[in-house]
Amino acid sequence: DGGITQSPKYLFRKEGQNVTLSCEQNLNHDAMYWYRQDPGQGLRLIYYSQIVNDFQKGDIAEGYSVSREKKESFPLTVTSAQKNPTAFYLCASSIDLALASAREQFFGPGTRLTVL
Amino acid sequence: AQSVSQHNHHVILSEAASLELGCNYSYGGTVNLFWYVQYPGQHLQLLLKYFSGDPLVKGIKGFEAEFIKSKFSFNLRKPSVQWSDTAEYFCAVNALTNNDMRFGAGTRLTVKP
Repeated sequence: DGGITQSPKYLFRKEGQNVTLSCEQNLNHDAMYWYRQDPGQGLRLIYYSQIVNDFQKGDIAEGYSVSREKKESFPLTVTSAQKNPTAFYLCASSIDLALASAREQFFGPGTRLTVL
Repeated sequence: AQSVSQHNHHVILSEAASLELGCNYSYGGTVNLFWYVQYPGQHLQLLLKYFSGDPLVKGIKGFEAEFIKSKFSFNLRKPSVQWSDTAEYFCAVNALTNNDMRFGAGTRLTVKP
């Protein structure tokens, strides 16, 4: 059963702590993305990666970091530098950014992060 | 970079009413266009997409959208909504010259039974 998994579904952390959100896909997609979803603001791009060992900043990368050591995995770390980290985080993937017709994104179930 | 506007934040309809959700984007070049839906408690999933060809595209669950290039619009329509269409709808635009996808702020649709 192919898809994108994100864990955990709910995450709580204390202010000042770093936390890592997991994203795994078994779709054999080259590109992966992280978005943040806030009420009334839609989805905002944090980071994306076209290939292994390469990633690019999105619109709101400050306070976040990523790695792409394996094609199927794209973990996101929310650092203590992120001023307003409480949000719903969505991971997505697409087949290939080089092909216009392959840019449809498939989404995971999301992780709701709450900073206490 | 491109931007996307969804003018309706919350739409409330009765069952069997017709639906039209607006989406406008700002970008002068060639684009891919998408509508995604997020049902309560579920994944964001694709409703329909436009890459090229016929500007009237049909998606799942009876939804359709029309790309009007001159108006930079990609409005979503459904002739008769059902209670199960209650969800949040997102328009998204991908410019072919860059790699990121821009999403609108979303429109929450509530269908009253």
